[in-house]
Amino acid sequence: QLLLRESGPGLVKPSETLSLSCSVSGGSISSNSFYRAWIRQAPGKGLEWIGSIYHSGTTYYNPSLRSRVTISEDVSQNQFSLRLSSVTAADTAVYYCARHVYDILSGYYFDSFDVWGQGTMVAVSS
Amino acid sequence: SSELTQDPAVSVALGQTVSITCQGDTLKSYYASWYQQKPGQAPSLVIYAKDRRPSGIPDRFSGSGSGNTASLTITGAQAEDEADYYCNSRDRSGTHVLFGGGTKLTVL
Repeated sequence: QLLLRESGPGLVKPSETLSLSCSVSGGSISSNSFYRAWIRQAPGKGLEWIGSIYHSGTTYYNPSLRSRVTISEDVSQNQFSLRLSSVTAADTAVYYCARHVYDILSGYYFDSFDVWGQGTMVAVSS
Repeated sequence: SSELTQDPAVSVALGQTVSITCQGDTLKSYYASWYQQKPGQAPSLVIYAKDRRPSGIPDRFSGSGSGNTASLTITGAQAEDEADYYCNSRDRSGTHVLFGGGTKLTVL
């Protein structure tokens, strides 16, 4: 059973860089069948896709965050990471890592996030 | 930019049927997936690729779609179905993932 677990500081100062890791157990992250994704949820708000990484290292980012986001992976450690620079209070959120399926069925592509970490709360405050 | 629109709140009487909708132009080109999120928990997938149910999801959950609208239907809603529900698909570029704003389902 694939398990994902986020880790990282729970408090980041404004203008600094938020860094989180997602450890994967019960399977390899190097599968070419799945992407690995970061998703966040501000307090009381909805889900926001941050970005995804494919096994080749190809990344896709939310256009609203692209200038500040980097997603990378360490296959040897079976984990992938998120860096978000120049954070502000608006980046305060629960951050989730997830397995991202992008596939085609009956001629239509779809995305689904079928395995999620438990989430980690990150507050941006001085 | 393209969007996925959901009603903010929906209610249903215990044991009755309810549909939660997700509207967006890109749903004509991409299938939606649906997530259930209970307070303090991570979201969990309940429907993918419009109408496919992951293993372990009760068959009272079903999905459908036509044109620019995707729907999640709960037939015989249970108290434990009270949760927030989110849809997702792609944006107009086809490169980025979008989530709907979420629907809070109350079971009366």
